[in-house]
Amino acid sequence: GAVVSQHPSWVICKSGTSVKIECRSLDFQATTMFWYRQFPKQSLMLMATSNEGSKATYEQGVEKDKFLINHASLTLSTLTVTSAHPEDSSFYICSAPKREGYTFGSGTRLTVV
Amino acid sequence: LAKTTQPISMDSYEGQEVNITCSHNNIATNDYITWYQQFPSQGPRFIIQGYKTKVTNEVASLFIPADRKSSTLSLPRVSLSDTAVYYCLVGETTSGTYKYIFGTGTRLKVLA
Repeated sequence: GAVVSQHPSWVICKSGTSVKIECRSLDFQATTMFWYRQFPKQSLMLMATSNEGSKATYEQGVEKDKFLINHASLTLSTLTVTSAHPEDSSFYICSAPKREGYTFGSGTRLTVV
Repeated sequence: LAKTTQPISMDSYEGQEVNITCSHNNIATNDYITWYQQFPSQGPRFIIQGYKTKVTNEVASLFIPADRKSSTLSLPRVSLSDTAVYYCLVGETTSGTYKYIFGTGTRLKVLA
């Protein structure tokens, strides 16, 4: 139980375009969703925390106008990378709290060309 | 901001016990310590969680000293499929702000 489905698994986009990443909680209600970014051979870095029905909380150094987070329902949180540039290429992962620890999505590898 | 630190990498042979330590000096008083396994291009997978002393499940043990400023993940008999990156995750309170911090990660390589 407590599965988070993340889509797409990978995406390639042109510089200047926007990309939306979705995370759905399949068998539970996720009032909170954490969004992480992971560069090659580095640890996961928390970008923002989204709460259903309210504005997301962004970590220091993360541009809220560039990384738009929407958590409009208890089962869906989205991250939109706006006007993507090559330096935004990374592995993006969402996670939600569960009874023991957190459950993570499978990740989205974004490549901006 | 004190980092949650782990050894960068470890090598082991099949069948051996592997112990990976995480140092988390700023752990919040009431928070758990959780360990995850991550394979390339996949999301982290839960291994074990504990608050203090020792916790054991079917895949690992977790040792936490009384001061809780560190923890050790013990994998009893590793196999080639255990080659992965292992992360600890703790809640920390720094400058009045509470957040979850992943450790720096330990890249375990299991050799035949």
